[in-house]
Amino acid sequence: DQQVKQNSPSLSVQEGRISILNCDYTNSMFDYFLWYKKYPAEGPTFLISISSIKDKNEDGRFTVFLNKSAKHLSLHIVPSQPGDSAVYFCAASAHGISNFGNEKLTFGTGTRLTIIP
Amino acid sequence: EPEVTQTPSHQVTQMGQEVILRCVPISNHLYFYWYRQILGQKVEFLVSFYNNEISEKSEIFDDQFSVERPDGSNFTLKIRSTKLEDSAMYFCARQGVNSGANVLTFGAGSRLTVL
Repeated sequence: DQQVKQNSPSLSVQEGRISILNCDYTNSMFDYFLWYKKYPAEGPTFLISISSIKDKNEDGRFTVFLNKSAKHLSLHIVPSQPGDSAVYFCAASAHGISNFGNEKLTFGTGTRLTIIP
Repeated sequence: EPEVTQTPSHQVTQMGQEVILRCVPISNHLYFYWYRQILGQKVEFLVSFYNNEISEKSEIFDDQFSVERPDGSNFTLKIRSTKLEDSAMYFCARQGVNSGANVLTFGAGSRLTVL
C-alpha cells in the first residue's frame, strides 16, 4: 500500500535551471510533509517541510508547494546546482492531537536528481 | 561531529545469527527511531522509542526485533535470528529540536548483509 508516491524515479536538469520534484499521497490524515535529500552512504538529510495549514513554504533555493485537494506536493529547486544531485524523498506524517511528537514518517520511493553542468 | 552516530557501518552475518546495531544520539532527546531501507526500495518505519519504552512499531517489527537504551546513551536495535530479507540499511533517527520538533535527524546508517 503506497501511501506516498513519487512516480518519477529519476530526473535530469541542466545547472541553473529549475528542478521540480513531485509527490502524491493517498492518506487524507497526513498533515505534515517533508522533503529529505540523500547522498550515497549517508542518511537522509532534512531539507524543507510544510504543514497542511499552508500551501507554500520557502527556504532559500527550495520551495515546497502543497495542494491538499489534489493530495499533491512538489519541491522546486532554483537555480539547480551540481551539489543538488542526490536522491530526494518525500515523506509524510499524521499527527492528530494525541500523537504529536511521534514522527512516524511514511516515505516515498525517491527520485534521483542529476544536475548536468 | 555527527549528531547521530551509528555502528557498525557495515555488518555481514550468517542467516540465523543475532545482530546488534548501535546508535548514539548526541544530546538529550526523548524520541528515537529506527527505520530501514531495503536496496532500491523506500525508507520504512520500524519502531519509535519514547522515554525508554516502545511508543509505536510497524508490522515489520516482529518478535525477532527488539530495541533498548541500556545505558541512557546508546540506543540499540537487536535482530535475534537474522533472515535473508533483513538485509538492508538501518537508520537510527532522533527528534529534532533546533530545526523543529517534527523533523527527524538520521544517522548515516548501518548496512546489514545477511548471507
